[in-house]
Amino acid sequence: EAQVTQNPRYLITVTGKKLTVTCSQNMNHEYMSWYRQDPGLGLRQIYYSMNVEVTDKGDVPEGYKVSRKEKRNFPLILESPSPNQTSLYFCASSFSTPTGNTGELFFGEGSRLTVL
Amino acid sequence: AQSVTQLDSHVSVSEGTPVLLRCNYSSSYSPSLFWYVQHPNKGLQLLLKYTSAATLVKGINGFEAEFKKSETSFHLTKPSAHMSDAAEYFCVVSEETGGFKTIFGAGTRLFVKA
Repeated sequence: EAQVTQNPRYLITVTGKKLTVTCSQNMNHEYMSWYRQDPGLGLRQIYYSMNVEVTDKGDVPEGYKVSRKEKRNFPLILESPSPNQTSLYFCASSFSTPTGNTGELFFGEGSRLTVL
Repeated sequence: AQSVTQLDSHVSVSEGTPVLLRCNYSSSYSPSLFWYVQHPNKGLQLLLKYTSAATLVKGINGFEAEFKKSETSFHLTKPSAHMSDAAEYFCVVSEETGGFKTIFGAGTRLFVKA
């Protein structure tokens, strides 16, 4: 079954304790991206990756890191989480179109993170 | 620069009546436009997409949207609402710039009354 898998789905942590949210896709997609969803703001892009070893900042990258060592995985790293990073996080993937923009995005189920 | 404005944060309709969810966009290039739906505690699912082919796009579950370049709009419609349509809907723009940024609207929550 084609899917994007995120872990953990729910996490409560404390300020400053490093954490990683994993994302894996089994569709051989080139493009992967992380978003955070906050009430009234829709989804805001944190980082995206066009392919292995190619990553770039989205609109809200501060406080986050990513890596793309393998095509299927795109972990989101919070080196020193703070309460303002409490949010619902989504990973998504897509094929890249010849014109350079993305096709349909396939989303994971979301990871709800609370930073105390 | 890209931007997306969903003109209504909430829309309430009665079951069996038409649905209209409004979206305006701003894009410097030829955009791809999408509508996604999010049911409670779920990820987002693609409803439909416009990628410079036909301006009237049909999607899943009876939804459709019309791309109007002159109005920079991409409104989502459905002739007859069903209770299962109650969800949050996001309009999304992706620009043909060689980059891969996607911009989401703030979302419109659709309520369907019996």
